Amino acid sequence: DTGVSQNPRHKITKRGQNVTFRCDPISEHNRLYWYRQTLGQGPEFLTYFQNEAQLEKSRLLSDRFSAERPKGSFSTLEIQRTEQGDSAMYLCASSLKANTEAFFGQGTRLTVV
Amino acid sequence: AQTVTQSQPEMSVQEAETVTLSCTYDTSESDYYLFWYKQPPSRQMILVIRQEAYKQQNATENRFSVNFQKAAKSFSLKISDSQLGDAAMYFCAYRSPVTGTASKLTFGTGTRLQVTL
Repeated sequence: DTGVSQNPRHKITKRGQNVTFRCDPISEHNRLYWYRQTLGQGPEFLTYFQNEAQLEKSRLLSDRFSAERPKGSFSTLEIQRTEQGDSAMYLCASSLKANTEAFFGQGTRLTVV
Repeated sequence: AQTVTQSQPEMSVQEAETVTLSCTYDTSESDYYLFWYKQPPSRQMILVIRQEAYKQQNATENRFSVNFQKAAKSFSLKISDSQLGDAAMYFCAYRSPVTGTASKLTFGTGTRLQVTL
């Protein structure tokens, strides 16, 4: 499978715990995006990497959120001290160039109880 | 900041019929890209069709076509000969042409399309 891969697909965690999600983009894609999608809403941009550089972060990305993309390959999104409001689908997408199609993964659904 | 509005939370169409999903957007930019994405239940979002704002001709992909009205900032999606597999959430999205920080997509709230027999 050469698409965007996200793991885990589902995560249930207790409030206050830390969670980490992983995204493996399409291998030759140097651009990687994280989005968050809550029920009944469209995806909202969280952050963007070009290779290993994090070039933009949304105001939605509070200081409890951190994302990395070491070596410009896979990326991780960590949420510390999770809150119920963090419950959402976290989507990863990658693209080859700025004006080319973004391919999405299936997402990681986070439920904070 | 750009905004995208989809005013139809749900739409229904009979198999083999035609349906049009609406989308409006707000921007001060003159050059940009517009997209329709399809999100089937529990599956990843896939690109249906894209339109460059500088192109006057409406984009077409098989049974999918758009009606792009730049002055009205309207970008509707027409699905012809609807099939059961077209049932999904459809998102309209906007992207600036500038590279780097403006490569992100701004999505509408989506329209859930049901296809009935």
